[in-house]
Amino acid sequence: DVKVTQSSRYLVKRTGEKVFLECVQDMDHENMFWYRQDPGLGLRLIYFSYDVKMKEKGDIPEGYSVSREKKERFSLILESASTNQTSMYLCASRAGTGIGDEQFFGPGTRLTVL
Amino acid sequence: AQSVTQPDIHITVSEGASLELRCNYSYGATPYLFWYVQSPGQGLQLLLKYFSGDTLVQGIKGFEAEFKRSQSSFNLRKPSVHWSDAAEYFCAVGARNAGNMLTFGGGTRLMVKP
Repeated sequence: DVKVTQSSRYLVKRTGEKVFLECVQDMDHENMFWYRQDPGLGLRLIYFSYDVKMKEKGDIPEGYSVSREKKERFSLILESASTNQTSMYLCASRAGTGIGDEQFFGPGTRLTVL
Repeated sequence: AQSVTQPDIHITVSEGASLELRCNYSYGATPYLFWYVQSPGQGLQLLLKYFSGDTLVQGIKGFEAEFKRSQSSFNLRKPSVHWSDAAEYFCAVGARNAGNMLTFGGGTRLMVKP
């Protein structure tokens, strides 16, 4: 059974802290994604990676960075957390680059920045 | 740029009643369309997808969707709703660009009355 796991389900941080969100997939997928989910806005793409050490900005990359040192792991970094980054963060992976290839999602990390 | 609109933020139906969730898209070429479901506390799961061919697409859990090019719509339907269908539903369009990314709608939250 395919699996995408995220390191935390709930996280509370303070303004200005550096925050790491971790995502691991066990499907040997090439592509990985980080999305942010907000009510009424759906999912918005922050960053994606199509291979180890390769990354591309999505629609809302400001305030975020990513790291992919190993194929199975994709980290989202908030360099200096702010209250407007309070949100649900979803990680996904995809086997290939095909537009029809299914994305598999993790359960999400609900981040609160105080 | 592509976009997706889900006009209904919340929908409530009685168990056993039929369901239709609306999705309108904007895309310059033939779209790749998807419906995902997010059950409480879980990641998104693919229900069905449309690329070409038959405009009526069957998915998992008894769902189907119909692609109507003239209306730029891809509405999701189910003839008889079960209490376990209570969830949030996302429509998405795939764009043929670098990375072949998905653009998601804002989501529709479905509540099921007993």
